[in-house]
Amino acid sequence: GAVVSQHPSRVICKSGTSVKIECRSLDFQATTMFWYRQFPKQSLMLMATSNEGSKATYEQGVEKDKFLINHASLTLSTLTVTSAHPEDSSFYICSARGPGDYGYTFGSGTRLTVV
Amino acid sequence: DAKTTQPPSMDCAEGRAANLPCNHSTISGNEYVYWYRQIHSQGPQYIIHGLKNNETNEMASLIITEDRKSSTLILPHATLRDTAVYYCIARYGNKLVFGAGTILRVKS
Repeated sequence: GAVVSQHPSRVICKSGTSVKIECRSLDFQATTMFWYRQFPKQSLMLMATSNEGSKATYEQGVEKDKFLINHASLTLSTLTVTSAHPEDSSFYICSARGPGDYGYTFGSGTRLTVV
Repeated sequence: DAKTTQPPSMDCAEGRAANLPCNHSTISGNEYVYWYRQIHSQGPQYIIHGLKNNETNEMASLIITEDRKSSTLILPHATLRDTAVYYCIARYGNKLVFGAGTILRVKS
């Protein structure tokens, strides 16, 4: 079945620094990738949608300059949290969709803690 | 996107069928219904999806009412490992927008 690899699984960074999270589709080409964040005891909130080779589309209220998304190839998308602050601490999850009527495959998530 | 409504929590005895309801009364004709589940601190796991017809796979069955305003996910023989948050999602276009989900607790 389709597999999406997300790295790192956990990261701790200092306030003011930037953190990059990678999302790779291992056995299929992902025409579209999605990024979510999830706070404790809450549901997943869609942050942005990215298509290979084009700019990401951000959901309302998500700062595009803070959460930089790059989808340079059909198997890799990255999310960079710039100038991270403690309130950015959250569980970040990516999802990838291949061509056709594929399901949406999710990565295992990245626990970001900003100290 | 159609909004889905699910009960916040349900309990099920181990070995019994778990029936998880979902209301999507505003769903449009081309919106698929997807079910995912999430075990604590993991990414969501795909269970099943459908448009109009009932669907079955190795994990579960999906029963969609004829008017498509509601559906039921059936786990035929629930085990303790099925304890998770179950999300019913109506997809329109390219996005999956998650609602609050149902916490299913399977008890021995």
